[in-house]
Amino acid sequence: KNQVEQSPQSLIILEGKNCTLQCNYTVSPFSNLRWYKQDTGRGPVSLTIMTFSENTKSNGRYTATLDADTKQSSLHITASQLSDSASYICVVSASTGGGNKLTFGTGTQLKVEL
Amino acid sequence: NAGVTQTPKFRVLKTGQSMTLLCAQDMNHEYMYWYRQDPGMGLRLIHYSVGEGTTAKGEVPDGYNVSRLKKQNFLLGLESAAPSQTSVYFCASRRGGVEDTQYFGPGTRLTVL
Repeated sequence: KNQVEQSPQSLIILEGKNCTLQCNYTVSPFSNLRWYKQDTGRGPVSLTIMTFSENTKSNGRYTATLDADTKQSSLHITASQLSDSASYICVVSASTGGGNKLTFGTGTQLKVEL
Repeated sequence: NAGVTQTPKFRVLKTGQSMTLLCAQDMNHEYMYWYRQDPGMGLRLIHYSVGEGTTAKGEVPDGYNVSRLKKQNFLLGLESAAPSQTSVYFCASRRGGVEDTQYFGPGTRLTVL
């Protein structure tokens, strides 16, 4: 069964600090991995997408890494801001005969405090 | 360009009542999706559509029906609501292609009493 596990479940950091969120998956055959940011009361918004051949991708202060061998990904947030407070969801796509099938993680709830 | 919009934003139903959630997108996307999001669980796919006039079942389709009569709209119906359908419902759309991004609506919070 395809699964995506994220850790930690929740995290509180001070503004300006860095943090790293983890995603482990058992999805096959692997197609791509995305990180989404979901603000409270809003829909998820895509931050990054990585395919099998990519091992790092940045989007501003967000840097995602992918190790396809160990089936792990991380999202690193640099110099956190209050607006980074949100849930971060790891989504892994599997290639199937009928198209791509997405498996969503449960998310890491990040709170940035003053 | 409004992206993906959902109507209504909130709704409270009594058990056994019916309702329809409307999703609209103005990006001319082929694919549309309905998900539900429950505490402690990842988003789960209810139904999806790969084009106007087509629909297909997702991971948790029971108790829901959908229709895609127009390319820009995707309707999710609950014929006889149950408390287990209390959830936040998200609609998403995408253009097409392997690496294509899904764009999500703001969600509808549904409570069934």
